[in-house]
Formats: sequence, C-alpha cells, structure tokens
Amino acid sequence: NAGVMQNPRHLVRRRGQEARLRCSPMKGHSHVYWYRQLPEEGLKFMVYLQKENIIDESGMPKERFSAEFPKEGPSILRIQQVVRGDSAAYFCASSPGMDNYGYTFGSGTRLTVV
Amino acid sequence: AQSVTQLDSQVPVFEEAPVELRCNYSSSVSVYLFWYVQYPNQGLQLLLKYLSGSTLVKGINGFEAEFNKSQTSFHLRKPSVHISDTAEYFCAAILTGGGNKLTFGTGTQLKVEL
Repeated sequence: NAGVMQNPRHLVRRRGQEARLRCSPMKGHSHVYWYRQLPEEGLKFMVYLQKENIIDESGMPKERFSAEFPKEGPSILRIQQVVRGDSAAYFCASSPGMDNYGYTFGSGTRLTVV
Repeated sequence: AQSVTQLDSQVPVFEEAPVELRCNYSSSVSVYLFWYVQYPNQGLQLLLKYLSGSTLVKGINGFEAEFNKSQTSFHLRKPSVHISDTAEYFCAAILTGGGNKLTFGTGTQLKVEL
C-alpha cells in the first residue's frame, strides 16, 4: 500500500503559467481533500471531492483555481496564471468515506512561482 | 467561526525532559480533535485523535493528549522527549455536523536540544 501519492514533489512555474498538481489517494479511499500551507502558517482547507463530485469548495479562491477527481485517474488541482502569492506547499489527504476520520496525507507538492 | 489556537509557536526543550504542547478550540458543540506531526519537507503524520470515549488518548511515539471539554483544550504531552521528536506539531479539529474539513492551528515548532 503506497499511501497517498502526490506529484510532482517540487514544481517551479513562471508567473502567468499553469500549475497542475496530482494526487492519487490510498487504495480503497474515495474521498480527497486539498489543503494549502503558506510559509509560517498552518494548513488551510481548499476543497473536498468524491469521485466526479465536488462536495465542498468553500476554501478555494474564486478565480484561477479548480479541482477535479475523475472516475479514473488521480485528483488534479489546477492553478491558472500563477502569481507569486500562490507559492506554497499543497497537501492532499484521502479517507475511506464521509464520517470516517482516518485521513492520510501525502508528502505534498511545493510550488514555487518565479 | 470554529478556530483552533496553538498558543506557542516554538517550544525548546532538553532531551529526556517532559513537554506539553497546548491547543485550545472554540466550539459550543462536539468536536473531533487531532494532533499531527510534520517533519521537514514531509507530509503530515497522525499522532492521535479524539472522536469519543476516554478523554485520555494515547498515540504513537509515546505521545498522549487529554480532551478537556470544560476548558476546550486538547494538550499534547510526552513524558520524555528525544532528539528525533524535533518537528512541527499541528492541532486540528472537525466540527461535527459541519462537514469533514479539518481546521488547523498555526503549529508549534518543537526543538529538542542535547
């Protein structure tokens, strides 16, 4: 069991480019959560997805950010037209289902915008 | 709004000494509470969680925490720390009935010195 896999581990993008962050949940987990960690801060919730459904996106910025969790393949967090303020560590967590609080976190993707 | 407060941003302690990392939450209803550890450039690892039952929760690596409803606290303790415990520790909460998202504190950097 490989756990929650995130890739890439490190991503460098120039201002204005697009960033795509991938998350493969643990085997048997159908719920995925994305969190962002800014320097010197705790993790902030962004979005909660099930397969093909967005359950809660209350933490997502209104523009440039989107997330999906297709029927097949990993969950994708997409950031369009990146700006320096998007530089952060992005963590994905998965769980077996709603009301099951056995979250497992990935190692994160560290995005640097230059 | 629900919040989680970690009162100490840094806690220095000598090896083999006891340590307590403080966490308070603001909520008038039931909560689920968690402690995570983050080693440099890694993801979050669950130390322990309180969902219900005994208020004293034992976790991995010799850590334990006590849920105190009257003081709305969930402090993390270890009777004797080791150099390898040097890491960032995050307290987190889920408000029952309010969805599955974790709300994190800002973290406490534990630095164990010889």
